[in-house]
Amino acid sequence: ILNVEQSPQSLHVQEGDSTNFTCSFPSSNFYALHWYRWETAKSPEALFVMTLNGDEKKKGRISATLNTKEGYSYLYIKGSQPEDSATYLCAFMGIGANNLFFGTGTRLTVIP
Amino acid sequence: DAGVTQSPTHLIKTRGQQVTLRCSPKSGHDTVSWYQQALGQGPQFIFQYYEEEERQRGNFPDRFSGHQFPNYSSELNVNALLLGDSALYLCASSGPQGNTEAFFGQGTRLTVV
Repeated sequence: ILNVEQSPQSLHVQEGDSTNFTCSFPSSNFYALHWYRWETAKSPEALFVMTLNGDEKKKGRISATLNTKEGYSYLYIKGSQPEDSATYLCAFMGIGANNLFFGTGTRLTVIP
Repeated sequence: DAGVTQSPTHLIKTRGQQVTLRCSPKSGHDTVSWYQQALGQGPQFIFQYYEEEERQRGNFPDRFSGHQFPNYSSELNVNALLLGDSALYLCASSGPQGNTEAFFGQGTRLTVV
């Protein structure tokens, strides 16, 4: 059973604050790491798919880094807005596998 | 493009009954995966269908079965429902390569009473 852990489990930040969360995953057999954003009553939406060690990806105010050797990824949100409130999920895919192993998510609440 | 659509959105079943959930993938996608999300957990992989065959399966009992049709749509069947099967069932579609993003439906909320 693969262990994908996310921290913190939840956090509340003030509008305008920057924040970051962590995803840790097995450092062996790595193929890809996915980040998803999931707003209440909506579908999970892909943010990033990362495959290379040292990869950094950015989409607007959200960015992510990847360290496959030590098995972690960080998601950063700069200048949080209330619309960023959602659960952020990371998911690991191993070599030869076709499925995603998800963490339990980080629930972000941005207070106006 | 309608994206991934799932039906029904909610349903309530009694222990021991059988249920069928349906999923239409995003246009152009040929691979459908099913996940179960129980309360407080991340989505857990049930199985994946490609070319109308089950390509990979997670750690779920045989009560969970599926099917993929020639138009790539898929069904998830659960027999002999247990209270513990109550969960959100998510369908995701993707292309055949694992390093591309998966597109999810909104899920079917199953409650077993």
